Amino acid sequence: GAGVSQSPSNKVTEKGKDVELRCDPISGHTALYWYRQRLGQGLEFLIYFQGNSAPDKSGLPSDRFSAERTGESVSTLTIQRTQQEDSAVYLCASSLLQGANSPLHFGNGTRLTVT
Amino acid sequence: AQTVTQSQPEMSVQEAETVTLSCTYDTSENNYYLFWYKQPPSRQMILVIRQEAYKQQNATENRFSVNFQKAAKSFSLKISDSQLGDTAMYFCAFLVSNYQLIWGAGTKLIIKP
Repeated sequence: GAGVSQSPSNKVTEKGKDVELRCDPISGHTALYWYRQRLGQGLEFLIYFQGNSAPDKSGLPSDRFSAERTGESVSTLTIQRTQQEDSAVYLCASSLLQGANSPLHFGNGTRLTVT
Repeated sequence: AQTVTQSQPEMSVQEAETVTLSCTYDTSENNYYLFWYKQPPSRQMILVIRQEAYKQQNATENRFSVNFQKAAKSFSLKISDSQLGDTAMYFCAFLVSNYQLIWGAGTKLIIKP
């Protein structure tokens, strides 16, 4: 079946503009994660959604970052007033359940470049 | 703080050779999970292998195996009979809660023909 889909694949924006990144998880997956990957680095946790529970937003780096998820479907990550330091690949992942026995399925990410 | 360290930024080997990627971690927990993920140029993270800390037996998946040394907090990945398609970034990750993974900085592996 279809995997995790992210759009756009690449986004170039000017400093100060707002951007919205989209993630379509695998159908039926209750858990959804957003990660940021800066060049040459590992993944930084941003936010986690699990079903109808309150999301874990502890990884969001500033109040310019926000994310929403409608039920167990699509999620959007919004970055307001973008800065050059926001340039990175933003990866979304989903899993059927939470926990180590439910592997993460990743999308191909959105490469964001802030000029 | 719980951390994952990958000390090899880049490695290269000839096709068909065996290569070992190192990973160390720091935690005070007794039960946890460790993972190796592969990230090819497509950017999609792909799970390679998983190890449960309470299992002493090292995990194996075809050409991929781990050397898990719990006391030393070491979790290395061995790739046997390496193939050109193994060229990718490899990330070690550690599960600290039901859902939050801590990631290493990655090792770039190049398989040369």
